[in-house]
Amino acid sequence: AQSVAQPEDQVNVAEGNPLTVKCTYSVSGNPYLFWYVQYPNRGLQFLLKYITGDNLVKGSYGFEAEFNKSQTSFHLKKPSALVSDSALYFCAVRDPGSGGYQKVTFGIGTKLQVIP
Amino acid sequence: KAGVTQTPRYLIKTRGQQVTLSCSPISGHRSVSWYQQTPGQGLQFLFEYFSETQRNKGNFPGRFSGRQFSNSRSEMNVSTLELGDSALYLCASSLDRDGYTFGSGTRLTVV
Repeated sequence: AQSVAQPEDQVNVAEGNPLTVKCTYSVSGNPYLFWYVQYPNRGLQFLLKYITGDNLVKGSYGFEAEFNKSQTSFHLKKPSALVSDSALYFCAVRDPGSGGYQKVTFGIGTKLQVIP
Repeated sequence: KAGVTQTPRYLIKTRGQQVTLSCSPISGHRSVSWYQQTPGQGLQFLFEYFSETQRNKGNFPGRFSGRQFSNSRSEMNVSTLELGDSALYLCASSLDRDGYTFGSGTRLTVV
């Protein structure tokens, strides 16, 4: 069974500093990996995805993530945090399996707080 | 193009009642998935429909059901509501290899 772990409930970072939100996964095959962001009382917004190819993936709003197969990790990063980045971040994985019909499994979410 | 539309946005129901939530996916997306989001449990997968067929189902009781129509619009139904069903219900549509596009959700409160 596929699973995702986000080990930190909350990450605090000062505005202008680099940020990292951690994610590790477990799948039987080659994963599809995703990051989403959720603002209060809203649905989730897609940030970026890794399907295949370059391990460093660039996404929306200056975010990027690095796929590390040996460590089964897909950490989200940004070189300089903004107060407006404060939100709830979800990592997700899909194990393509047979025919790509596997569901997407989400982590529990990490609350990012950027301090002015 | 239009995003994923969920209706209604807010709903208050009494225990024992039933409720139907609606989701219109992005045009051309044939896959629609439903998730329940609660503060303690995160996003829990309910079910996924593709071309009117349920192809994945989560671990929810039979009170939770869904369907998809030929135009890809989807509905989910919860019968005999319980207090614990209070949650944000999210619908997402996708092309298979892509990420999901989520709707804004339906906030269900059971009193």
